[in-house]
Amino acid sequence: ETGVTQTPRHLVMGMTNKKSLKCEQHLGHNAMYWYKQSAKKPLELMFVYSLEERVENNSVPSRFSPECPNSSHLFLHLHTLQPEDSALYLCASSQDLGRPQGRHYGYTFGSGTRLTVV
Amino acid sequence: AQSVSQHNHHVILSEAASLELGCNYSYGGTVNLFWYVQYPGQHLQLLLKYFSGDPLVKGIKGFEAEFIKSKFSFNLRKPSVQWSDTAEYFCAVTLTDSWGKLQFGAGTQVVVTP
Repeated sequence: ETGVTQTPRHLVMGMTNKKSLKCEQHLGHNAMYWYKQSAKKPLELMFVYSLEERVENNSVPSRFSPECPNSSHLFLHLHTLQPEDSALYLCASSQDLGRPQGRHYGYTFGSGTRLTVV
Repeated sequence: AQSVSQHNHHVILSEAASLELGCNYSYGGTVNLFWYVQYPGQHLQLLLKYFSGDPLVKGIKGFEAEFIKSKFSFNLRKPSVQWSDTAEYFCAVTLTDSWGKLQFGAGTQVVVTP
C-alpha cells in the first residue's frame, strides 16, 4: 500500500448511472489530485485541491464533479458519462503544492480505479 | 504549448542490456524533474527526482538520470536491466513557480526478455 487508497478498484457503469470514486490518504499531505490515464496518452490532470480548496480545474467536463471534504479525502462524482470516459482514474497526494519554496517532492499515487462506461 | 516528450513508446531488450529512455520538455523556466515507473498491475512509483545541484541523479533499483539543461532533457538510464524492470516509465515535470501539478509524458513501455 502506498498510503493513498482508492475505491473501488474496478467500476462498470452505464451512461445514465451516477457513481462516485473515493480516495483517501493517510500521509498528512495537504494537496490531492485527480488524473485520468488512458491508453497511449499522457496522464491528464483533472483537478487539484490544496487544503480542501480547488485550485485547478483543467477544463474537465461537468459530468465529472470533485469533492474534497477534508485534506484526507477526495471524491470524484460521475454522472451521465460517455464511453470515451473509460479509463484508469488515479488519485495522488503531495506534501504541498511546492510553493513558495519552489520545490515539489513529487506525488504518491493510489492504485487507481479502472472505469468502464457501457 | 508546454509539453513533455518521451522518445520511444515501446522498448524491447534482453536481460543485462543497457537501457536509456529519452525525455525532453519544452518549459523555459526552472523545473523539477521526475521519473515514475508503473509495474504491471501496480501503482505509479517514484524512481528518482531532480531539483538542483548535481545533474546526475541516482534513484532506486539502480536507475539514474542526467539533467542536461541546454538540451531540455532528463534521460533515464540503467547499465544492466533485469526481467523485473519490465514496466511502463513516465517522465514528469513541474514548474517551480507554478502550481504543484506534474505534467507527464506519454510513457515508454519497456519489456525485458529473459
